[in-house]
This record gives sequence, structure tokens and C-alpha cells, in this order.
Amino acid sequence: DIVMTQSPDSLAVSLGERATINCKSSQSVLYSSDNKNYLAWYQQKPGQPPKLLIYWASTRESGVPDRFSGSGSGTDFTLTISSLQAEDVAVYFCQQYFFTPLTFGGGTKVEIK
Amino acid sequence: QVQLVESGGGVVQPGRSLRLSCAASGFTFSGYAMHWVRQAPGKGLEWVAVISFDGNNKEYADSVKGRFTISRDNSKNTLYLQMNTLRPEDTAVYYCARQQYSGSWAPADNWGQGTLVTVSS
Repeated sequence: DIVMTQSPDSLAVSLGERATINCKSSQSVLYSSDNKNYLAWYQQKPGQPPKLLIYWASTRESGVPDRFSGSGSGTDFTLTISSLQAEDVAVYFCQQYFFTPLTFGGGTKVEIK
Repeated sequence: QVQLVESGGGVVQPGRSLRLSCAASGFTFSGYAMHWVRQAPGKGLEWVAVISFDGNNKEYADSVKGRFTISRDNSKNTLYLQMNTLRPEDTAVYYCARQQYSGSWAPADNWGQGTLVTVSS
């Protein structure tokens, strides 16, 4: 199974500042045939289901604000919130969809400092 | 708009069975693969199972393989999860989720609100 490791477990960022979340996979999720990274990011607010933010490691889902961006390739990935807003307080999960079982990272809780 | 509504959760004793349902609307259900994902109280997300758009391909997490069965009825726009031999560690909110597209594995772009399953004596 591909193990997804997120860091940090939590972070507190001031409003308007940058938040950076890391995700590392135990093996590459880059498929050579299509040169795509099978990596997604989700946001989950308290009492709500997860919401898809980013897929193919860097493609924003429709309607997601452009302050959210994804980067990385192979085994190392990053989710960046360029200017944290109050509504971004949530837990963020990465997920690989390269192989079953599809696996999630442990989550990163983002709070306001 | 896309709507996924889970039902069937509740409190069940260890070793017993439960069947979850997920009623889909607002899209062509028969055109999408569907997933079950669970979340234990205060914990992270755990993928449980996936079924292809036509029901011919199914995959399971090792933790549920042989105990849970995913199925679908495209004529009723409904996804199911039959859970047998339940264990306390199966306690979680169970979400059904639509795969973004069919053809290969893909992330889930729409999720239900979830249904809570509690396994306890």
C-alpha cells in the first residue's frame, strides 16, 4: 500500500499570511504514460464532509479560490494557501489515487494565529 | 445539483450486520464510479471501497475485505454497502462519494453528509 505522510499535524497562521502543508508518498504517484501525478487535496471543515480542492497535484477544482495552489511531483507535494482567510480554518488531507487501496494522509489542521 | 444522501447507520452489536444506502440525484448515476469512505470519531479519512460505473469492478480496503460488499442498483440510482461481522473498529461516519470521472481511479468530487455507524455491545 502507498503510505501518505503529511506534515505538520497542525499549524497556526495569521490572517493574510501563507500556509504551507506537505505530503509525502511512500512511492511515486507519477504515471509515466500520461505524466500526471495522481494526487488530490481535500478540505474538511467541522461537521462537514470533505471537499475536493486540487487534483492532478496542481489543478484547482471548479469554484476553488485561487489562493489555494498545489505543487510537487513524484513523491513530494505541497498545498499552499497564499493568504489565509478565516473561512480556511479546516483540516486538509492529501490522497493518492494511483493504486488501490486509495490512501489518505493523516490530515493537517489549520488554525488562525 | 449533485446530491448524495446516506442512510442505514445506527448502533449495532459486534458480529452483527448492517446495510448502508446512498441515494443519488442530480447527475447520471450510471455514468460514475462510486466510493465509500469512512472517518472514525476525531480521526482521519479511510477509503473503504469503490465500484465501477457498471458494477463490474470492485475494490476494497484490506481492513474490510471479506466482510463488506459494495454494490449498486443503477435503475434506482442507489449505492449500497453491506457490512457483515462488524467490529468496534468499524465505528465511523460512512460517506458515499462520487468519483470525478470513470476510466481509471480518480478523486471524489461530491460527497454525502455521511451516516454514523456505531459498533458496541
